[in-house]
Amino acid sequence: GENVEQHPSTLSVQEGDSAVIKCTYSDSASNYFPWYKQELGKGPQLIIDIRSNVGEKKDQRIAVTLNKTAKHFSLHITETQPEDSAVYFCASHTGGFKTIFGAGTRLFVKA
Amino acid sequence: DVKVTQSSRYLVKRTGEKVFLECVQDMDHENMFWYRQDPGLGLRLIYFSYDVKMKEKGDIPEGYSVSREKKERFSLILESASTNQTSMYLCATEPGQGTDTQYFGPGTRLTVL
Repeated sequence: GENVEQHPSTLSVQEGDSAVIKCTYSDSASNYFPWYKQELGKGPQLIIDIRSNVGEKKDQRIAVTLNKTAKHFSLHITETQPEDSAVYFCASHTGGFKTIFGAGTRLFVKA
Repeated sequence: DVKVTQSSRYLVKRTGEKVFLECVQDMDHENMFWYRQDPGLGLRLIYFSYDVKMKEKGDIPEGYSVSREKKERFSLILESASTNQTSMYLCATEPGQGTDTQYFGPGTRLTVL
């Protein structure tokens, strides 16, 4: 069945450094790729998304890149801050009702 | 802002009990979802609903049922709770009509003893 692989499972960076989280999807019909951030005690919240007709999207310190040929997409966080510490989920959506989530990456930003 | 509320943040139940988890949204979204979240497994879809009284099985429906009698409310039911259903349960909504972003509630951490 469809799946999304996410790496790494845990990432620790120094404040101010960049963080990169990578995902691979299996369904070539996937056309929407959201990223969610889950802070402690809260539900996941959308932070950025990209559609399959776009290769890159940026929002301040956060960017997402998509390589449809390789079925890879990545989240890039620059100038990390302690408040970026959270669990991040990538996901893929093929239309219809189903979103497939990656297993999550726990990001620690050390002050 | 979209608001998705879940009836309990923490719940402790005994094996064999019937458990109801309630989810309410205030933004008139068409689609609603129940996921369970377990470490290393991400979010796995239990059931979803795209309209009142409509429901569809997700990837792991066994041991669960759902009810959507009103558009704003989606309930998850554990008919006879078991210890392997100890987990974090997340409700989500989606506007529908081609808009795919999901909005999550804060989650219910259920422990079955």
